[in-house]
Amino acid sequence: DAGVIQSPRHEVTEMGQEVTLRCKPISGHNSLFWYRQTMMRGLELLIYFNNNVPIDDSGMPEDRFSAKMPNASFSTLKIQPSEPRDSAVYFCASSFRGDYSNQPQHFGDGTRLSIL
Amino acid sequence: AQKITQTQPGMFVQEKEAVTLDCTYDTSDPSYGLFWYKQPSSGEMIFLIYQGSYDQQNATEGRYSLNFQKARKSANLVISASQLGDSAMYFCAMREVRTGNQFYFGTGTSLTVIP
Repeated sequence: DAGVIQSPRHEVTEMGQEVTLRCKPISGHNSLFWYRQTMMRGLELLIYFNNNVPIDDSGMPEDRFSAKMPNASFSTLKIQPSEPRDSAVYFCASSFRGDYSNQPQHFGDGTRLSIL
Repeated sequence: AQKITQTQPGMFVQEKEAVTLDCTYDTSDPSYGLFWYKQPSSGEMIFLIYQGSYDQQNATEGRYSLNFQKARKSANLVISASQLGDSAMYFCAMREVRTGNQFYFGTGTSLTVIP
């Protein structure tokens, strides 16, 4: 079975450029999460979607960050304009949301983003 | 208040010994799930084990077991017969059914297995 697929795996770009990270969740999963991980701040939840609808975006750092989920099989996280402090590993995770607690999140391999 | 607390930033264990990684949680939801993830130096997040709030037995998965003490709100991960490949970051997480599927992660514990 295909897991969560993220692209690109690595991205190096100059500050001020637009960055788009992509995620394909596991088929059948109805919840999708975007995380950012840094040494200083650890693993931070940026935003999550249930049934393609954003539920909580309180973790999005500022207006430069935006996320969309146009359908059940695709999501993007966009940073515009990018800044060096945005350098981090960005993870996408998906899960099945039901009435029971036993569904884990499955993570993609992450996108390692470096803003010069 | 923190939903998930991991108080051990770093732990060391001798190869073949057992080690316990601590996790406490905070919730008023009677229905919740507790999860442990492993993150090796290669970076991927690997799901290890799950414990439900209504489960009577402690969860086990191979060398991993979860010491679930509901009254204390603790869900410690026990790794038996440690191997060098167990060296990694370990994250405890919780999902509350009531909140519509948000997951809460702890800050992680870095485990180093010494040969």
